Amino acid sequence: DADVTQTPRNRITKTGKRIMLECSQTKGHDRMYWYRQDPGLGLQLIYYSFDVKDINKGEISDGYSVSRQAQAKFSLSLESAIPNQTALYFCATSAAGSSYNEQFFGPGTRLTVL
Amino acid sequence: ELKVEQNPLFLSMQEGKNYTIYCNYSTTSDRLYWYRQDPGKSLESLFVLLSNGAVKQEGRLMASLDTKARLSTLHITAAVHDLSATYFCAVDKSATNKLIFGTGTLLAVQP
Repeated sequence: DADVTQTPRNRITKTGKRIMLECSQTKGHDRMYWYRQDPGLGLQLIYYSFDVKDINKGEISDGYSVSRQAQAKFSLSLESAIPNQTALYFCATSAAGSSYNEQFFGPGTRLTVL
Repeated sequence: ELKVEQNPLFLSMQEGKNYTIYCNYSTTSDRLYWYRQDPGKSLESLFVLLSNGAVKQEGRLMASLDTKARLSTLHITAAVHDLSATYFCAVDKSATNKLIFGTGTLLAVQP
């Protein structure tokens, strides 16, 4: 089945460490997104990419960077992790040109920064 | 700045009862989405509403959109325990394909 996968699913790290979260999709979608979810809150957009050469900041990009290695791969990096980046991170994809622009979400990565 | 507000934030209801979750947004938008999230899980798409007056139904859930009032509702009919989850609405910011999410409504259906 066409899917969105994220690795790792869980990660515990220490303050100051560099962390990379990876997202892969087999849906053939052009658009990919990274979101952060904090307990009791909705999702906030970190970065998004509408094709391989297109990278855009979202609402809360400070402290994060991304790389779109291929149409199917979109990675999120925390250059120097801090405790308030502890959260659940979701990758999502959508199809360009779709009237619905429905976004499909990966299973999430739970990141804990000590 | 587009803001999306949901209410209530928490809803405890008995099986068999009806209730409505409200989603208000602050500026014009073309598309509104409802998602479901089970604890510790990903988001599952429930409905996509594209135009004023749009109504969609799936099982015990029915979603509607009033773009003039900037309001969407998610109506639950004869709730069952399996509907217990967090429900999010999200709005497409001026057709930019960037979703702005509400804070979610945690629904707990009690037997």
